[in-house]
Amino acid sequence: QSALTQPASVSGSPGQSITISCTATGSDIGDYKYVSWYQQHPGKAPKLMIYEVSNRPSGISDRFSGSKSGNTASLTISGLQAEDEADYYCSSYTSISRRFVFGMGTKVTVL
Amino acid sequence: QITLKESGPTVVKPTQTLTLTCSFSGFSLSTTGLGVAWVRQPPGKALEWLALLYWNGDRRYSPCLESRLTITRDTSTPTDQVVLTMTDMDPVDTATYYCVYRKLGALDYWGQGILVTVSS
Repeated sequence: QSALTQPASVSGSPGQSITISCTATGSDIGDYKYVSWYQQHPGKAPKLMIYEVSNRPSGISDRFSGSKSGNTASLTISGLQAEDEADYYCSSYTSISRRFVFGMGTKVTVL
Repeated sequence: QITLKESGPTVVKPTQTLTLTCSFSGFSLSTTGLGVAWVRQPPGKALEWLALLYWNGDRRYSPCLESRLTITRDTSTPTDQVVLTMTDMDPVDTATYYCVYRKLGALDYWGQGILVTVSS
């Protein structure tokens, strides 16, 4: 089984860039290539922001970018805006186990 | 346009079995590579992946809840549906349950969610 660790909170001022990390541990993380990120505003369903580490679905702002180094994936939000204040979850899908796992979420605050 | 919607009871009693239905449109679960998943979120807490039904009938469950979960495809109705059952419900299972479209390694489209409260 695998586990994903995220910081509980990250904050930044409008216009700044912030980065949220997601570190994978466990026996079945595989090559950790199916990392995705989700944005969730209060009372709303999550929304896919990044898939396969660094790909943006159609309609997602290019202010959102993803990357990975070893077992740590990252979501960077550039040009931070008030509307970016939300919870962000990373997730990993492992083709070996064919299961998903979520991180515990990071609350992003725009100061 | 892909849409999903969850339906089922909003209140269940402890020890009862929960049955939730996901009605979806805009894709066929018979298409190679696709899947429908269930994810839940207790109030104020993190997302938790529960189960996934693949296009070929394969099923995967959260190791923590595998003994209590069953995910199936309902082909008896005119519209395509996926059903999740969870046995022996407990107050800690109170959560919003989401039905989600899965393509490759991401959960692309989410239903609006249904809040299920476990209370006597």
